[in-house]
Amino acid sequence: GAVVSQHPSWVICKSGTSVKIECRSLDFQATTMFWYRQFPKQSLMLMATSNEGSKATYEQGVEKDKFLINHASLTLSTLTVTSAHPEDSSFYICSAYGTADSNQPQHFGDGTRLSIL
Amino acid sequence: ILNVEQSPQSLHVQEGDSTNFTCSFPSSNFYALHWYRWETAKSPEALFVMTLNGDEKKKGRISATLNTKEGYSYLYIKGSQPEDSATYLCAIPLGGSNYKLTFGKGTLLTVNP
Repeated sequence: GAVVSQHPSWVICKSGTSVKIECRSLDFQATTMFWYRQFPKQSLMLMATSNEGSKATYEQGVEKDKFLINHASLTLSTLTVTSAHPEDSSFYICSAYGTADSNQPQHFGDGTRLSIL
Repeated sequence: ILNVEQSPQSLHVQEGDSTNFTCSFPSSNFYALHWYRWETAKSPEALFVMTLNGDEKKKGRISATLNTKEGYSYLYIKGSQPEDSATYLCAIPLGGSNYKLTFGKGTLLTVNP
C-alpha cells in the first residue's frame, strides 16, 4: 500500500520550455504532498508543501512564480517549472502523507530528472 | 549541530559483514526521526520512524537506535547482502514544523559479493 506515482521519469527540453511533473497517490488520499529538489551530492531540499484545495507553501528562496504547484484533488499534485533554464536542471521528487504528521513516514515517487539544454 | 548530518558519506563492505552508520541532529525540540532506504532508480522506502529516546526498532537484518538527548541515531545492518546496497537517508522535522522534514545527505552503502 501507499504507492506514489511520479511522471515523467526524465525530461530533456530546450531552454524556455515549461515542464509539468505529476505526482499521484494511487491507493490513498494525500492531504499533503511535498516537492523536493536534489542537486548532485546534496541532500533532498524541500521546495514547497502542497495541501489539497489550498495554495502551496514555498520554502525560503524558492520562486513561486517559477515553480507552480497545483493540488486540485486528494490524489494529484503537479509541479510546473515555467520557462525552464539550464540552472533549473535537477532531480525533482514528490512525497505524500495521508495525514501530515512526522510520526508517519512519507511516501515517495520515483523522481523526475530534468535536463534543460 | 544545527542540521542533519550523516556519516560516513559512503561505505564499502563485503557480503556478510555487519555495518553501521550515524545520523546526528539538533537535540532540542525533537519530534521524530525517519530512516529511508533509497535504491538507485527507485523511490525512497521508509524503514523506521522513531520518536522515543532509547527506542530501538528492527526490520529483518536492519535495526536502528535513537538517542534524543545527545542527538544521534545509529542504523545497523547485520550480515550485509548485495541487495542492501543503497543510499540510507535520515530526516527530522526542523525549523518549527512538526511534519516538514530536513534530510541529511545520506550514506551510500555498497555491499560487494
